[in-house]
Amino acid sequence: NAGVTQTPKFQVLKTGQSMTLQCAQDMNHNSMYWYRQDPGMGLRLIYYSASEGTTDKGEVPNGYNVSRLNKREFSLRLESAAPSQTSVYFCASSDLSAIYSPLHFGNGTRLTVT
Amino acid sequence: GQQLNQSPQSMFIQEGEDVSMNCTSSSIFNTWLWYKQDPGEGPVLLIALYKAGELTSNGRLTAQFGITRKDSFLNISASIPSDVGIYFCAGPGSARQLTFGSGTQLTVLP
Repeated sequence: NAGVTQTPKFQVLKTGQSMTLQCAQDMNHNSMYWYRQDPGMGLRLIYYSASEGTTDKGEVPNGYNVSRLNKREFSLRLESAAPSQTSVYFCASSDLSAIYSPLHFGNGTRLTVT
Repeated sequence: GQQLNQSPQSMFIQEGEDVSMNCTSSSIFNTWLWYKQDPGEGPVLLIALYKAGELTSNGRLTAQFGITRKDSFLNISASIPSDVGIYFCAGPGSARQLTFGSGTQLTVLP
């Protein structure tokens, strides 16, 4: 049982380049999330998808777009990368069975923008 | 959005010592979650608390939901090297989503 799988694990981009971070979960969860983690700032929500077919902005959505491709997959796209987007990105999923159901995280994508 | 203050930011302790950390919020919470992040991995849920005054244990870890509903505490007894990592508290944020504290970095010295 893989849980939440993120690809790639590492990426280096030049300013202005674009890329898509992929995430897939095999737990049949309804909700999926993208967070970024920066030193001393904890985890901040970028976008989330409460259920298949819906997406909503989180705390720090600027510079990002998302696609809920199906129930399993939720991708995060950087259209024009900036150095401020250097971070570790985590995808997570949860069941909708309870409010604030605990999140299950992937192992992260470490992105550096030069 | 909701503000979570987590302290301390970092701790260096000797193996075998007990550890305490806490989180406070700017408003009343109905849920507190504690996560641990091992180096190079994603956070993993340790303990979930859903009721004021609740005290829940998971092995050597004990977490409490503060009676004021604005704070929560995590204690680790008899620390071991594998306790190293970042510990996060989390609670309800805006738009009915979780918000996270800034984390406590724990280092266990042999």
